[in-house]
Amino acid sequence: EAEVAQSPRYKITEKSQAVAFWCDPISGHATLYWYRQILGQGPELLVQFQDESVVDDSQLPKDRFSAERLKGVDSTLKIQPAELGDSAMYLCASSPMDRAHNEQFFGPGTRLTVL
Amino acid sequence: AQSVSQHNHHVILSEAASLELGCNYSYGGTVNLFWYVQYPGQHLQLLLKYFSGDPLVKGIKGFEAEFIKSKFSFNLRKPSVQWSDTAEYFCAVNPYNFNKFYFGSGTKLNVKP
Repeated sequence: EAEVAQSPRYKITEKSQAVAFWCDPISGHATLYWYRQILGQGPELLVQFQDESVVDDSQLPKDRFSAERLKGVDSTLKIQPAELGDSAMYLCASSPMDRAHNEQFFGPGTRLTVL
Repeated sequence: AQSVSQHNHHVILSEAASLELGCNYSYGGTVNLFWYVQYPGQHLQLLLKYFSGDPLVKGIKGFEAEFIKSKFSFNLRKPSVQWSDTAEYFCAVNPYNFNKFYFGSGTKLNVKP
């Protein structure tokens, strides 16, 4: 069964350092999402791609966060510099954009700890 | 903006008790509906989904959910919970024709053995 891949699974960094997360969606899925999930809360959308284009980054803290999906396949989310408040689970999801049966498939996530 | 409400933030049950978790959404049009489960330390897993048809949907691990359009609700149920159901449960809504998913804040379920 096809899955969304993410790496690394865990990342510990010090504040002010740069971190990067990678996501490989299910093959053929045009839409890719990056979410941040703080412990005890629901996922919060950071950025959404349709192929290689950003369609929603309204909640992305653009002074420190950036995301790209250059060839419309895999994607990288970067934080520079990391702050203590960035400690969270970063989830990637993809969807096939079948309007009648639209469904998201989630990766295992990257748990970031900023010290 | 669309909203999804999960009114029960923390539920504690004994094994064999029945479970019902509430989910209400604000979108007035056609929706696709989902329940996800997140076990401690693990990632989100799909429990069940509703696209159309029978409003009573059966999912994995004995869970079911009922879509009541007039109440904008999609409540999750299980007749008899087990200790292994201890997890956090998230409701999500995808407005039809929109490529967006809106999540509730989650309900933490604690099942006592």
